[in-house]
Amino acid sequence: GAGVSQSPRYKVAKRGQDVALRCDPISGHVSLFWYQQALGQGPEFLTYFQNEAQLDKSGLPSDRFFAERPEGSVSTLKIQRTQQEDSAVYLCASSKREGTADTQYFGPGTRLTVL
Amino acid sequence: KQEVTQIPAALSVPEGENLVLNCSFTDSAIYNLQWFRQDPGKGLTSLLLIQSSQREQTSGRLNASLDKSSGRSTLYIAASQPGDSATYLCAVWGSGNTGKLIFGQGTTLQVKP
Repeated sequence: GAGVSQSPRYKVAKRGQDVALRCDPISGHVSLFWYQQALGQGPEFLTYFQNEAQLDKSGLPSDRFFAERPEGSVSTLKIQRTQQEDSAVYLCASSKREGTADTQYFGPGTRLTVL
Repeated sequence: KQEVTQIPAALSVPEGENLVLNCSFTDSAIYNLQWFRQDPGKGLTSLLLIQSSQREQTSGRLNASLDKSSGRSTLYIAASQPGDSATYLCAVWGSGNTGKLIFGQGTTLQVKP
């Protein structure tokens, strides 16, 4: 179907609040990735799902970050007790196959601002 | 640990010029390399994917080359247009990983009419 979609597009949170960011991947895509992009930097990997299985979460910066993809399609990235350093654009990407080196298609991102 | 560097960080050229963007990586054992374009406030658009067994890929006015042994890739843009103004990012997959991309910081290109 259509491309990767993310919601909300913009989120402002007060420090200490919890936030939930949603990603709808391209229908049928097996792999789903979350990246964090700070201002003026390239995206940095957070976590990877193959269907519903979270196979790599090595990039999550702290235990305040949690991601899930319970039915192997939509994914949610949750950040608990937000801090100012969490302010960034959170990008979701999906690819058709599992594992390495398949073209990744990115969503427009969610810009999170923590005050 | 794989590190990806892009030079220059910013580039401004007059319309019509041919230009080259550079990307280097520290670990030559990469699997594939992908070039992306990012417009302000937008997500990433895939431009070209070069598999590790390939040396170059072409799409329209874009040509990307890959030299694994020297840890370098270049993106060549022919006859640049104002619509090419954007940030260009290169990213590599490490061999044997789960598919996560490792990005450079990007080159912000401005093409002046």
